[in-house]
Amino acid sequence: LAKTTQPISMDSYEGQEVNITCSHNNIATNDYITWYQQFPSQGPRFIIQGYKTKVTNEVASLFIPADRKSSTLSLPRVSLSDTAVYYCLVGASGRAAGNKLTFGGGTRVLVKP
Amino acid sequence: EAQVTQNPRYLITVTGKKLTVTCSQNMNHEYMSWYRQDPGLGLRQIYYSMNVEVTDKGDVPEGYKVSRKEKRNFPLILESPSPNQTSLYFCASRQASNQPQHFGDGTRLSIL
Repeated sequence: LAKTTQPISMDSYEGQEVNITCSHNNIATNDYITWYQQFPSQGPRFIIQGYKTKVTNEVASLFIPADRKSSTLSLPRVSLSDTAVYYCLVGASGRAAGNKLTFGGGTRVLVKP
Repeated sequence: EAQVTQNPRYLITVTGKKLTVTCSQNMNHEYMSWYRQDPGLGLRQIYYSMNVEVTDKGDVPEGYKVSRKEKRNFPLILESPSPNQTSLYFCASRQASNQPQHFGDGTRLSIL
């Protein structure tokens, strides 16, 4: 299974862009990269998922280089409510791959006023 | 409303007293998982299931059992709980292996 490594914490200010990089050197060919957000005492919530290049939705962008050994979650113009822990998850696709998933340690993002 | 429901949300119990944490999803998802979350260790997968009667071990299965007799339910069983199983537990489900997971609100277990 691909192990993931993320920074433990990051501080930012309201209105700034936050970029969190996740390393996954042993990512397999059929692995997807998924990012989740978690607030205290709540379950993780899906933010974005990608396989390669760039993916963008209404809340974030995900950049994946050609070698796929890392990925960067980009949160544009953060607000105080974006203060949370962000997890990078690498997991396999396809029924044969099963459902075994490995979360990174998470990055605690603190947005200051 | 699409949701994953866990019960109980909080439980304090004693070593050795069997307990079950229930998990139910109303989205007809095939895949379900159990995780535990501990300070400094993030989320670790305990068991997962790809469909009814199909389960397999995750990264930390010792001391836990699961069953998947019907699609919507995936209970987590601690036959003889010990203090090192004190943790925050999350159940999750998803429709396919390349789809995002939906998580429950968590169950905080304290084993004395």
